Order: sequence, then structure tokens, then C-alpha cells
Amino acid sequence: KAGVTQTPRYLIKTRGQQVTLSCSPISGHRSVSWYQQTPGQGLQFLFEYFSETQRNKGNFPGRFSGRQFSNSRSEMNVSTLELGDSALYLCASSLAGTDYEQYFGPGTRLTVT
Amino acid sequence: QQPVQSPQAVILREGEDAVINCSSSKALYSVHWYRQKHGEAPVFLMILLKGGEQKGHEKISASFNEKKQQSSLYLTASQLSYSGTYFCGTVEEYGNKLVFGAGTILRVKS
Repeated sequence: KAGVTQTPRYLIKTRGQQVTLSCSPISGHRSVSWYQQTPGQGLQFLFEYFSETQRNKGNFPGRFSGRQFSNSRSEMNVSTLELGDSALYLCASSLAGTDYEQYFGPGTRLTVT
Repeated sequence: QQPVQSPQAVILREGEDAVINCSSSKALYSVHWYRQKHGEAPVFLMILLKGGEQKGHEKISASFNEKKQQSSLYLTASQLSYSGTYFCGTVEEYGNKLVFGAGTILRVKS
């Protein structure tokens, strides 16, 4: 079956701009989580969506937001970009949450200049 | 609460064994292990649940000490393909948020 897809794969933005990243989960998966990965920081949890509802949120400022659609596809938005937002953003899908294997997408590499 | 992994990095020769540790200051419901190769997405290795249930690959061995909130991943007879960064993730008891540690870099040399 098709894996998790993320678009775009690479993105260059300027400070102050906003960006929207997209994630299409594996068919049948209802949970989508987002992570920020930077060197030395590991995978920092952003939020998890399940059946169109945000179920969990990490310790990120309100500039980071997301949503999930009825087909389980998810988008993540970052407003007023800062240099420190440069990172690899990974989404992961699972059948129903943390009791299940998380399937990660290839990520979107965001560079803020 | 981010779990703490140790060591931060380890270098092995093929055939040697390694242990990667993960600990939390919170009571845990489950511990998850993933491996990420350079330039690739993290890949699932194992889930260890409170109460002893395990889900994962047969060739991967891990333990979960529920009293100490610690988990260890055992890599035996290492192969070159074992190289990568290993992440442990934890879900706190009465929570359902999967939080990952900073990772352990494993390099296997021939």
C-alpha cells in the first residue's frame, strides 16, 4: 500500500511569511501526528489529530497550527516565520494513535532566510 | 517530558553488541523504539506496553522496567545495516502523547 506522503518536500521562505505543509496518511489511518526535527533536538512533538480533532498538542507557540480533513489528510501551518523554524517537519500516521506503529513520511525541509 | 537516552553516540565493529537506554521521570504507559537512517524517515522497531505486551520485529530485543521507568534496546551481533539514529519515544500513564528523546547515533564499522 502507498506510504505517507508529504508535500512539498523542500521549501524556502523568508522571515515573517507563513507556510502550509501537507500530509496524506496511509489509507485507513485516522491518526496523524506532526514532529519538528532539528540537529541535536530529536523529534519534537507538535500535535496529533484524530478524526478531524486535535487530540494532543506539544509545547510550541500558537504560530504553529494544524487541521485534519474528513479524508484524514492533514495540514500544518506556521505563521510569522522565524529563523529558528528552519527544520525538517515530519508527519506520521497510524491506525488510531500511540498504541500502534507510527508510519513516518519523508518530511518537508523548511528553510527560513 | 522528553525521555533521556544514553549513550548519545556509540561506534561498534560488526558482530559486536550494544545497548541503548531510555529513561523517564514520569510513570510510563508505553515505550517506543524507532531507527532513522541518514536522509530517511524514522522506521518502527518496537512498542513495549505496561503489563508486558510487546509489538515489533522478531529480531529486535528490548526491555521495559515499569518500576524504574526505563527501557533498553539490545542490538546483538551488529551488522552494517544497524547504523543510524535510534529514538525512544514514551507515552505517560494516563496520557496519549508520544514524545521522543534526542536520539542515539549508532555507527557500525566493518
